[in-house]
Amino acid sequence: NAGVTQTPKFQVLKTGQSMTLQCAQDMNHEYMSWYRQDPGMGLRLIHYSVGAGITDQGEVPNGYNVSRSTTEDFPLRLLSAAPSQTSVYFCASSYSGGHTDTQYFGPGTRLTVL
Amino acid sequence: TQLLEQSPQFLSIQEGENLTVYCNSSSVFSSLQWYRQEPGEGPVLLVTVVTGGEVKKLKRLTFQFGDARKDSSLHITAAQPGDTGLYLCAGARRAGNQFYFGTGTSLTVIP
Repeated sequence: NAGVTQTPKFQVLKTGQSMTLQCAQDMNHEYMSWYRQDPGMGLRLIHYSVGAGITDQGEVPNGYNVSRSTTEDFPLRLLSAAPSQTSVYFCASSYSGGHTDTQYFGPGTRLTVL
Repeated sequence: TQLLEQSPQFLSIQEGENLTVYCNSSSVFSSLQWYRQEPGEGPVLLVTVVTGGEVKKLKRLTFQFGDARKDSSLHITAAQPGDTGLYLCAGARRAGNQFYFGTGTSLTVIP
């Protein structure tokens, strides 16, 4: 099992550019989520999905889009990158999103927007 | 405004010392999780507590969930350099599928 994988590991964008952060899991988990991590603020939930075809917004969804066409993949799209989106992005998955489920995190994508 | 506040934000101690990290909120959570994160990696789950007043031990780490399920603490006995890392608490509410993370405590244990 590879667990949760994320690509790319590092990315530099110019303001206004768009890109997609990839996330995949091979544990057949129904629940997947995207977080951003900024210094002194812990992790903040961007979007999450409880299954293929179902997505919902988290705490900080503005500027990001998601879709979930398969159980395995949950890409995060930045439509028009802004410097405020400079952050480390983590994808996570869990069995069902239940309040006692273990969340498994990917290694992260470090994004810099110039 | 963060839903969960952790203190202290930074902690640097000598090997062998004891320490406690606090995770506080004004909200009630159905569960509280503690994660440890090392540089360049994603967080890894240490423990989940569910019942108010619950205490769980993981070797030298002791986790407690407050009676009112609004706060939690992590106590490390005889800290070792391998305990160095960022400790994060995360609370879940029964309604919805969202986990709210704390602000984090960066621990450095000096040999």
